[in-house]
Amino acid sequence: DTGVSQDPRHKITKRGQNVTFRCDPISEHNRLYWYRQTLGQGPEFLTYFQNEAQLEKSRLLSDRFSAERPKGSFSTLEIQRTEQGDSAMYLCASSSPVGETIQYFGAGTRLSVL
Amino acid sequence: AQKVTQAQTEISVVEKEDVTLDCVYETRDTTYYLFWYKQPPSGELVFLIRRNSFDEQNEISGRYSWNFQKSTSSFNFTITASQVVDSAVYFCAGGSQGNLIFGKGTKLSVKP
Repeated sequence: DTGVSQDPRHKITKRGQNVTFRCDPISEHNRLYWYRQTLGQGPEFLTYFQNEAQLEKSRLLSDRFSAERPKGSFSTLEIQRTEQGDSAMYLCASSSPVGETIQYFGAGTRLSVL
Repeated sequence: AQKVTQAQTEISVVEKEDVTLDCVYETRDTTYYLFWYKQPPSGELVFLIRRNSFDEQNEISGRYSWNFQKSTSSFNFTITASQVVDSAVYFCAGGSQGNLIFGKGTKLSVKP
């Protein structure tokens, strides 16, 4: 069973550009989470899905951020009009249904906004 | 509001020493879960343990042990006979529903 997969691993972009990240969860995991981690800090929750439904969004998720999980499998996180403050590691995690609350994390996508 | 406090920013020990990482989780929820994750230099968060708020039994897994005390909101993690490979940042996290709240992490350096 493969783990959570994230693509790309690294992204360098110029301020004002749009970027999109992809996350493939562990198969049969119906919950998928996005977190952001800046240097020296713990991960901060952004949003999560149960199947294709987006159930919760953090106040950190400004209107420049959008996440989708159209078929309840992989998910994308898009950041529009990137700012230097968006530079961070974006982590994806998934967990299985029915009482299993352990979130398994991917290796992350490191975003650098120049 | 929930809050996770890891008061130790960095700890340095010599191999074979025992080390305890502290965590305090504050919440108004009566049912919640607590976790420890390890983040080695490679960057991927590795799950170590989950504990629910009703279970205050200490747990031991190899060189790792965990002590949860609900009365003090503490969920401490002890590594016995530390090894160089234990060097990493360790995060404590808690939550009752979908999202997890993470502490700022404790960087553990184990020197040979």
